[in-house]
Amino acid sequence: QQQVKQSPQSLIVQKGGISIINCAYENTAFDYFPWYQQFPGKGPALLIAIRPDVSEKKEGRFTISFNKSAKQFSLHIMDSQPGDSATYFCAARVNSGGYQKVTFGTGTKLQVIP
Amino acid sequence: DAGITQSPRHKVTETGTPVTLRCHQTENHRYMYWYRQDPGHGLRLIHYSYGVKDTDKGEVSDGYSVSRSKTEDFLLTLESATSSQTSVYFCAISAGEGGEAFFGQGTRLTVV
Repeated sequence: QQQVKQSPQSLIVQKGGISIINCAYENTAFDYFPWYQQFPGKGPALLIAIRPDVSEKKEGRFTISFNKSAKQFSLHIMDSQPGDSATYFCAARVNSGGYQKVTFGTGTKLQVIP
Repeated sequence: DAGITQSPRHKVTETGTPVTLRCHQTENHRYMYWYRQDPGHGLRLIHYSYGVKDTDKGEVSDGYSVSRSKTEDFLLTLESATSSQTSVYFCAISAGEGGEAFFGQGTRLTVV
């Protein structure tokens, strides 16, 4: 059962363009939605995150848009650069008795071409 | 990598042999996790620990066991490795109570 669905699986964007990755979730108990960035040979690293009481969060060129009623959220990378080429994972977290259970999407491999 | 060390980084083993992967942290975080990463599946939780000797199963725990005798170390054991356990394994730590998860650099395990 895939509780967090991520699309597309891969994405090619021209340098300077906008990269958009979408995720949808089912469990309304999720209370935190992080995005992770992973470079080859490295572990995932937190990129940006949002809580469901906020519709948008921006950090530099990275923006999360959140639609609580539709149970969807997306990552926008503005002015995409070759250095942004990586795999991106959306995730959703629920707290249960102090334990945090994080469910990951299946990942999007982004390639930004010059 | 937030004070997380995984060892070994790469391992090739034969089907049927036991394998132990180690995760060591220097952050004194309470929570530790083992994930496996496979194409098309993202990261899936194998086991987690919420304290010394306190562990529980994740979504893909069959064929795996864990132990945590010290706060800083979390061991993942494949009792009898199978080819389906060929994967990249990541350890993660979290302080809990809203703290972020930090990942190690991963262990690439190949079962032949």
